[in-house]
Formats: sequence, C-alpha cells, structure tokens
Amino acid sequence: RKEVEQDPGPFNVPEGATVAFNCTYSNSASQSFFWYRQDCRKEPKLLMSVYSSGNEDGRFTAQLNRASQYISLLIRDSKLSDSATYLCVVNGGNTDKLIFGTGTRLQVFP
Amino acid sequence: DVKVTQSSRYLVKRTGEKVFLECVQDMDHENMFWYRQDPGLGLRLIYFSYDVKMKEKGDIPEGYSVSREKKERFSLILESASTNQTSMYLCASVSGNTIYFGEGSWLTVV
Repeated sequence: RKEVEQDPGPFNVPEGATVAFNCTYSNSASQSFFWYRQDCRKEPKLLMSVYSSGNEDGRFTAQLNRASQYISLLIRDSKLSDSATYLCVVNGGNTDKLIFGTGTRLQVFP
Repeated sequence: DVKVTQSSRYLVKRTGEKVFLECVQDMDHENMFWYRQDPGLGLRLIYFSYDVKMKEKGDIPEGYSVSREKKERFSLILESASTNQTSMYLCASVSGNTIYFGEGSWLTVV
C-alpha cells in the first residue's frame, strides 16, 4: 500500500460546482497534513494546511479524519482558475520526511 | 520574500554525461530536499539533507548523489546520465512544516 494515495482523476466539473477530493495515508503517527496546488509545468504551492478540527479558507475547506486516516479538500463554487493538480502532503510520523500523493487533477469547464 | 533558486531551468544532456543541478536558498534553512516528478508517479524523494555535509537517501537515490558544502546550497549530481532520468527535478527548502519549492529543472537526457 502506498504511504499516501490519491485518486488521480481527472475530475471534470462545470463552473459553480462543488467538488471534493480525498487522500488516504497509511502512517497513523502522521501529524501534519497539507494540500498543495500545482499548475502545469510549475512548482507546487501551498494551498492550505489541514488542522484536526477542520479549517476553511474562502471557498476551500479541508478536513482530517484520523480514525479512517484520510484528509479531504472541498472546493465550492468552482472557478475556471481552480483547474490544476491538487497534491496531498503528509509528514512521515516520527520523521520530518514529507510524503506527497501523486495528485488529483481538476479541470473546471465553462 | 522566501527564495529557492534552481539555476538551470531547462537542460538537454547526452547519455553518460555528468550533470549538476544546483539549488540555493536564502532563508538559512537547515533542511533541503531533492525530488523528481514524473507523470502518474507524483513527487518522489531522491535525497535530503538536514545540515551541512549531511545527506540521507530518499526513496529513489540510485543513479544520483548530492553535495551540501554550504548551508544555502544543495546540489544534485547525476554521475552518468541515462534516459530514464529524464524528468522534472524540484528542490525544496523546509522550515518546520513549510515547504518552499524552487521553480523546477526540466532535464532531458538523449
């Protein structure tokens, strides 16, 4: 089993739609969780950290489910500019190693 | 503003050549990482370093070596480039759980 797994997509959604991605992780000792956004041929950029209580930033909501070992990202009112690949990042438990998922591709169409 | 600089953005090298990829950060961070990113495989960790002259193997170190003679500079070396090392290489500098990426180096080995 991979340490961090994501559905690669693509998720094709119309503008205005709500879309959700999940990311599962295997190390129950992991403490830090993040969502990164990566545009084509660019470096990943931090979208948001994921806190135990869940957190929201505008149209984006991130949640953590420790019991089932997954994190989620919800995007409301999708915009064309949201089209990108979304990477889940998890720390390796007792180490500082950060492990990336392979990314979920989102394509928002008019 | 935080800056991680990968001086070589696009390179084309021949099989068997020695290749140096340089990464410099100006934030006095101790932790630096080299990843490669390939379609469908996500970011895979090649090597990382927690301090000057320290290095640790990541998940795919074969065919690579690194050098960290100064805190700000972390170099990735391909001793004898092969076509399966054609990829996008990302350097990252990490403080706490915040990752700062360089813009990436696109290497083609022919």
